[in-house]
Amino acid sequence: EAGVAQSPRYKIIEKRQSVAFWCNPISGHATLYWYQQILGQGPKLLIQFQNNGVVDDSQLPKDRFSAERLKGVDSTLKIQPAKLEDSAVYLCASSMRLDSSYNEQFFGPGTRLTVL
Amino acid sequence: AQSVTQLDSQVPVFEEAPVELRCNYSSSVSVYLFWYVQYPNQGLQLLLKYLSGSTLVESINGFEAEFNKSQTSFHLRKPSVHISDTAEYFCAVMPTGANNLFFGTGTRLTVIP
Repeated sequence: EAGVAQSPRYKIIEKRQSVAFWCNPISGHATLYWYQQILGQGPKLLIQFQNNGVVDDSQLPKDRFSAERLKGVDSTLKIQPAKLEDSAVYLCASSMRLDSSYNEQFFGPGTRLTVL
Repeated sequence: AQSVTQLDSQVPVFEEAPVELRCNYSSSVSVYLFWYVQYPNQGLQLLLKYLSGSTLVESINGFEAEFNKSQTSFHLRKPSVHISDTAEYFCAVMPTGANNLFFGTGTRLTVIP
């Protein structure tokens, strides 16, 4: 079974530029998550989708970050304009569904963003 | 609100020696508990989890963790480490009934030959 795919693996941009990351979850997984992992910190949830709807985006800096999952499968996370403090690894994860029982989250390899 | 504390940011240990990585948490609701491992340039992998039942849980590669409710701890142990255990280890909690993971800051385990 293929895992969570992310691209690109690495990205270097200058501040004020825009950038986009792509995630393809495990086939059949309804729930998709984007995490931000700043160096020296644990991952922090940015946004959570159930199919193509947003479940939780309370930690997403909406003035510059946006995310979509239009067809309920792939997802794109965008930053516009980027700031130096956005330098981090952006992790995508997916799980089978979102309900009251436990659903394991499977993580992709991440995209390492460096903002100069 | 939930928070996870991993006091040790780095733990060096000699090969075949025992190791303990500490994790304490704070939560106003009941939680599930997890340890994830992150090898260099790879994503997070679930190492073990506590959902309910026996407070001692084990992984397939010799790690174990014990849930201590009174001390709100979930320390990770291995009696004899290998070079291949060198990685970053993250403790995390998930409120029961929700799907949000809250991570600690991680502990970098370095196994010295």
